[in-house]
Amino acid sequence: DVKVTQSSRYLVKRTGEKVFLECVQDMDHENMFWYRQDPGLGLRLIYFSYDVKMKEKGDIPEGYSVSREKKERFSLILESASTNQTSMYLCATQDRDQETQYFGPGTRLLVL
Amino acid sequence: SQQGEEDPQALSIQEGENATMNCSYKTSINNLQWYRQNSGRGLVHLILIRSNEREKHSGRLRVTLDTSKKSSSLLITASRAADTASYFCARGTSYGKLTFGQGTILTVHP
Repeated sequence: DVKVTQSSRYLVKRTGEKVFLECVQDMDHENMFWYRQDPGLGLRLIYFSYDVKMKEKGDIPEGYSVSREKKERFSLILESASTNQTSMYLCATQDRDQETQYFGPGTRLLVL
Repeated sequence: SQQGEEDPQALSIQEGENATMNCSYKTSINNLQWYRQNSGRGLVHLILIRSNEREKHSGRLRVTLDTSKKSSSLLITASRAADTASYFCARGTSYGKLTFGQGTILTVHP
């Protein structure tokens, strides 16, 4: 079974702090994605990566950056957290030749 | 918006009844996928239907796709309390990217 883990289930940060959200997968998948989920808006794609060192902007990249130094790890970085970044963050992986995405359990971030 | 639109936003039924959720989209697709999310958890893939398919079954799930109307529906037959969850459709496009709808919250009462 695919296992996707995220570093924290719940996180509370202060406005202006730098925040790191980590995602690790054990299935050697090439593709990895970061989404945020907000009530009434569904999931929105922040960034994605098709390989190590590669990154592509999704639909809402502003205020975020990512890092993919190793194939199994995809990090989402909030350089200076703001209250409007309070949300549920979901990481997903995908094998290059498949269409299904496999999700982690999510990190609920609260920015005060 | 390029996101899919789902209706209803919320659905409340009794155990044993069927649940139908609908999804519409605006642009072309490679496939249409349905995911389930239990409260506060990650999403789990349920079923995928390709753009050249019209209907697909998986256990108690039946998915239809009408590309001329740009719509899909998910039917859960003989629902159970354990089916209570949020259900999302996702439009699959090139390079494996997915665009999600807002979701339908299904509550199945015992």
